[in-house]
Amino acid sequence: DIVMTQSPDSLAVSLGERATINCKSSQSVLYSSNNKNYLAWYQQKPGQPPKLLIYWASSRESGVPDRFSGSGSGTDFTLTISSLQAEDVAVYYCQQDYRGLTFGGGTKVEIK
Amino acid sequence: QVQLVQSGAEVKKPGASVKVSCKASGYTFTSYDINWVRQATGQGLEWMGWMKPNGGNTGYAQKFQGRVTLTRNTSISTAYMELNSLRSEDTAVYYCARGIRVRGVNDYWGQGTLVTVSS
Repeated sequence: DIVMTQSPDSLAVSLGERATINCKSSQSVLYSSNNKNYLAWYQQKPGQPPKLLIYWASSRESGVPDRFSGSGSGTDFTLTISSLQAEDVAVYYCQQDYRGLTFGGGTKVEIK
Repeated sequence: QVQLVQSGAEVKKPGASVKVSCKASGYTFTSYDINWVRQATGQGLEWMGWMKPNGGNTGYAQKFQGRVTLTRNTSISTAYMELNSLRSEDTAVYYCARGIRVRGVNDYWGQGTLVTVSS
Protein backbone atom coordinates (compact mmCIF):
# COMPACT_ATOMS: atom_id res chain seq x y z
CA ASP A 1 0.00 0.00 0.00
CA ILE A 2 1.09 3.55 -0.66
CA VAL A 3 1.43 5.38 2.65
CA MET A 4 0.62 9.09 2.73
CA THR A 5 2.26 11.14 5.48
CA GLN A 6 1.05 14.64 6.21
CA SER A 7 2.75 17.34 8.24
CA PRO A 8 2.15 19.08 10.50
CA ASP A 9 -0.68 17.39 12.37
CA SER A 10 -2.07 20.83 13.16
CA LEU A 11 -1.24 24.45 12.64
CA ALA A 12 -2.55 27.80 13.82
CA VAL A 13 -2.35 30.72 11.42
CA SER A 14 -3.45 34.32 11.76
CA LEU A 15 -6.26 35.55 9.55
CA GLY A 16 -4.85 36.74 6.24
CA GLU A 17 -1.62 34.81 6.66
CA ARG A 18 -0.35 31.85 4.67
CA ALA A 19 -0.96 28.24 5.67
CA THR A 20 1.18 25.44 4.23
CA ILE A 21 0.48 21.74 4.53
CA ASN A 22 2.84 19.01 3.34
CA CYS A 23 2.11 15.52 2.10
CA LYS A 24 4.63 12.83 1.28
CA SER A 25 3.87 9.53 -0.44
CA SER A 26 5.87 6.34 0.13
CA GLN A 27 6.26 5.96 -3.63
CA SER A 28 5.76 8.13 -6.67
CA VAL A 29 2.17 8.82 -7.69
CA LEU A 30 3.17 10.21 -11.07
CA TYR A 31 1.65 8.35 -14.01
CA SER A 32 4.21 8.38 -16.81
CA SER A 33 1.53 7.68 -19.45
CA ASN A 34 -0.14 11.07 -18.97
CA ASN A 35 2.41 12.89 -16.77
CA LYS A 36 -0.21 13.45 -14.08
CA ASN A 37 0.28 13.13 -10.36
CA TYR A 38 -2.66 11.25 -8.86
CA LEU A 39 -2.72 13.38 -5.74
CA ALA A 40 -5.80 15.21 -4.50
CA TRP A 41 -6.55 17.48 -1.55
CA TYR A 42 -9.80 17.62 0.44
CA GLN A 43 -11.19 19.92 3.09
CA GLN A 44 -13.43 18.53 5.84
CA LYS A 45 -15.41 20.61 8.29
CA PRO A 46 -17.00 19.10 11.42
CA GLY A 47 -20.07 17.02 10.69
CA GLN A 48 -19.60 17.24 6.93
CA PRO A 49 -18.18 14.91 4.28
CA PRO A 50 -14.89 15.87 2.64
CA LYS A 51 -14.91 18.47 -0.11
CA LEU A 52 -12.61 18.17 -3.11
CA LEU A 53 -10.23 21.13 -3.49
CA ILE A 54 -7.35 20.08 -5.76
CA TYR A 55 -6.72 17.21 -8.17
CA TRP A 56 -3.70 16.19 -10.24
CA ALA A 57 -1.67 17.84 -7.48
CA SER A 58 -2.23 21.38 -8.74
CA SER A 59 -5.56 21.65 -10.60
CA ARG A 60 -8.20 23.53 -8.65
CA GLU A 61 -11.71 22.06 -8.61
CA SER A 62 -14.41 24.27 -10.05
CA GLY A 63 -15.75 26.76 -7.51
CA VAL A 64 -12.77 26.49 -5.14
CA PRO A 65 -11.35 29.92 -4.20
CA ASP A 66 -8.03 30.76 -5.81
CA ARG A 67 -6.38 31.24 -2.42
CA PHE A 68 -6.10 27.44 -2.40
CA SER A 69 -3.25 26.07 -4.48
CA GLY A 70 -1.40 22.79 -4.79
CA SER A 71 2.10 21.99 -5.91
CA GLY A 72 4.62 19.18 -6.04
CA SER A 73 5.36 16.07 -8.04
CA GLY A 74 6.41 12.49 -7.56
CA THR A 75 6.37 11.96 -3.81
CA ASP A 76 6.30 15.45 -2.26
CA PHE A 77 3.29 17.73 -2.34
CA THR A 78 2.08 20.94 -0.74
CA LEU A 79 -1.30 22.58 -0.21
CA THR A 80 -1.10 26.33 0.33
CA ILE A 81 -3.81 28.66 1.55
CA SER A 82 -2.45 32.04 0.57
CA SER A 83 -4.56 34.20 2.87
CA LEU A 84 -6.37 32.29 5.58
CA GLN A 85 -10.04 33.10 6.05
CA ALA A 86 -12.22 32.16 9.00
CA GLU A 87 -14.19 29.72 6.85
CA ASP A 88 -10.99 27.80 6.06
CA VAL A 89 -10.84 26.33 9.57
CA ALA A 90 -11.05 22.61 8.84
CA VAL A 91 -9.07 19.40 8.56
CA TYR A 92 -7.25 18.92 5.27
CA TYR A 93 -6.42 15.54 3.75
CA CYS A 94 -4.24 14.50 0.86
CA GLN A 95 -5.22 11.39 -1.11
CA GLN A 96 -3.47 9.28 -3.72
CA ASP A 97 -5.24 7.26 -6.40
CA TYR A 98 -2.18 5.87 -8.13
CA ARG A 99 -2.52 2.40 -6.64
CA GLY A 100 -5.63 1.73 -4.61
CA LEU A 101 -6.68 4.81 -2.74
CA THR A 102 -5.14 6.07 0.49
CA PHE A 103 -5.43 9.24 2.54
CA GLY A 104 -2.98 11.13 4.66
CA GLY A 105 -3.66 11.40 8.36
CA GLY A 106 -5.03 14.93 8.11
CA THR A 107 -3.90 18.40 9.15
CA LYS A 108 -6.09 20.54 11.38
CA VAL A 109 -5.98 24.25 10.53
CA GLU A 110 -7.03 26.75 13.18
CA ILE A 111 -6.97 30.50 13.67
CA LYS A 112 -4.17 31.91 15.81
CA GLN B 1 -27.71 18.43 -9.25
CA VAL B 2 -25.58 15.45 -8.29
CA GLN B 3 -26.64 13.86 -5.02
CA LEU B 4 -25.68 10.75 -3.11
CA VAL B 5 -28.18 9.96 -0.37
CA GLN B 6 -27.27 7.27 2.12
CA SER B 7 -29.42 5.15 4.41
CA GLY B 8 -29.86 5.98 8.06
CA ALA B 9 -27.85 5.22 11.15
CA GLU B 10 -27.50 1.62 12.32
CA VAL B 11 -26.76 -0.02 15.65
CA LYS B 12 -25.41 -3.57 15.46
CA LYS B 13 -24.07 -6.17 17.83
CA PRO B 14 -20.58 -7.63 17.47
CA GLY B 15 -20.51 -10.41 14.90
CA ALA B 16 -23.48 -9.08 12.96
CA SER B 17 -23.54 -7.60 9.45
CA VAL B 18 -24.59 -4.19 8.20
CA LYS B 19 -25.67 -3.08 4.74
CA VAL B 20 -25.55 0.61 3.85
CA SER B 21 -27.17 1.99 0.71
CA CYS B 22 -26.20 4.98 -1.41
CA LYS B 23 -28.76 6.30 -3.90
CA ALA B 24 -27.38 8.41 -6.72
CA SER B 25 -29.25 11.08 -8.64
CA GLY B 26 -28.48 13.92 -11.01
CA TYR B 27 -26.07 11.96 -13.20
CA THR B 28 -25.78 8.69 -15.10
CA PHE B 29 -25.12 6.15 -12.35
CA THR B 30 -23.24 3.73 -14.59
CA SER B 31 -20.77 6.35 -15.83
CA TYR B 32 -18.83 6.85 -12.59
CA ASP B 33 -17.20 4.65 -9.95
CA ILE B 34 -18.46 4.52 -6.39
CA ASN B 35 -15.90 4.50 -3.59
CA TRP B 36 -16.61 3.69 0.06
CA VAL B 37 -14.66 5.47 2.78
CA ARG B 38 -15.09 5.29 6.53
CA GLN B 39 -14.13 7.57 9.39
CA ALA B 40 -14.06 6.67 13.06
CA THR B 41 -14.92 9.49 15.45
CA GLY B 42 -12.09 12.00 15.58
CA GLN B 43 -10.01 9.93 13.18
CA GLY B 44 -8.94 10.15 9.54
CA LEU B 45 -10.38 8.80 6.33
CA GLU B 46 -10.01 5.12 5.45
CA TRP B 47 -10.76 3.77 1.98
CA MET B 48 -12.61 0.45 1.89
CA GLY B 49 -13.14 -0.29 -1.77
CA TRP B 50 -14.54 0.76 -5.12
CA MET B 51 -17.15 -0.47 -7.52
CA LYS B 52 -17.78 0.23 -11.17
CA PRO B 53 -21.58 0.28 -11.54
CA ASN B 54 -21.28 -0.49 -15.25
CA GLY B 55 -20.49 -4.18 -15.06
CA GLY B 56 -20.15 -4.45 -11.28
CA ASN B 57 -16.35 -4.78 -11.09
CA THR B 58 -15.01 -4.24 -7.59
CA GLY B 59 -11.74 -3.71 -5.77
CA TYR B 60 -11.17 -3.85 -2.03
CA ALA B 61 -8.57 -2.50 0.35
CA GLN B 62 -6.51 -5.37 1.69
CA LYS B 63 -7.65 -4.66 5.23
CA PHE B 64 -11.28 -5.37 4.30
CA GLN B 65 -10.81 -8.24 1.84
CA GLY B 66 -13.21 -11.04 2.66
CA ARG B 67 -15.27 -8.95 5.04
CA VAL B 68 -16.80 -6.29 2.77
CA THR B 69 -18.97 -6.72 -0.31
CA LEU B 70 -19.89 -3.93 -2.70
CA THR B 71 -22.92 -4.36 -4.96
CA ARG B 72 -25.34 -2.23 -6.92
CA ASN B 73 -28.79 -2.13 -8.43
CA THR B 74 -28.55 -0.09 -11.61
CA SER B 75 -32.34 0.02 -12.08
CA ILE B 76 -32.62 2.23 -9.01
CA SER B 77 -29.16 3.86 -9.21
CA THR B 78 -28.18 2.54 -5.82
CA ALA B 79 -24.91 1.18 -4.49
CA TYR B 80 -24.54 -0.98 -1.40
CA MET B 81 -21.78 -1.71 1.07
CA GLU B 82 -22.11 -4.77 3.30
CA LEU B 83 -19.64 -5.33 6.12
CA ASN B 84 -19.63 -8.63 7.98
CA SER B 85 -18.33 -9.90 11.31
CA LEU B 86 -18.65 -6.48 12.88
CA ARG B 87 -16.51 -5.54 15.85
CA SER B 88 -16.40 -2.46 18.02
CA GLU B 89 -13.55 -1.01 15.94
CA ASP B 90 -15.94 -0.83 12.97
CA THR B 91 -17.92 1.92 14.71
CA ALA B 92 -17.58 4.80 12.27
CA VAL B 93 -19.29 7.04 9.76
CA TYR B 94 -19.39 5.33 6.37
CA TYR B 95 -19.37 7.46 3.22
CA CYS B 96 -20.03 6.66 -0.40
CA ALA B 97 -18.44 8.95 -2.96
CA ARG B 98 -18.55 9.34 -6.73
CA GLY B 99 -15.18 8.50 -8.16
CA ILE B 100 -13.64 9.90 -11.31
CA ARG B 101 -10.83 7.51 -12.14
CA VAL B 102 -9.24 9.66 -14.84
CA ARG B 103 -8.73 12.45 -12.29
CA GLY B 104 -8.18 10.18 -9.33
CA VAL B 105 -10.76 11.96 -7.21
CA ASN B 106 -14.06 11.64 -5.38
CA ASP B 107 -16.00 14.73 -6.36
CA TYR B 108 -19.37 14.16 -4.66
CA TRP B 109 -19.95 12.50 -1.33
CA GLY B 110 -22.94 11.11 0.51
CA GLN B 111 -23.92 12.59 3.84
CA GLY B 112 -22.49 9.63 5.74
CA THR B 113 -24.06 6.79 7.71
CA LEU B 114 -23.13 6.22 11.33
CA VAL B 115 -22.72 2.55 12.17
CA THR B 116 -22.38 1.80 15.85
CA VAL B 117 -21.22 -1.64 16.95
CA SER B 118 -22.01 -2.30 20.58
CA SER B 119 -23.08 -5.21 22.73
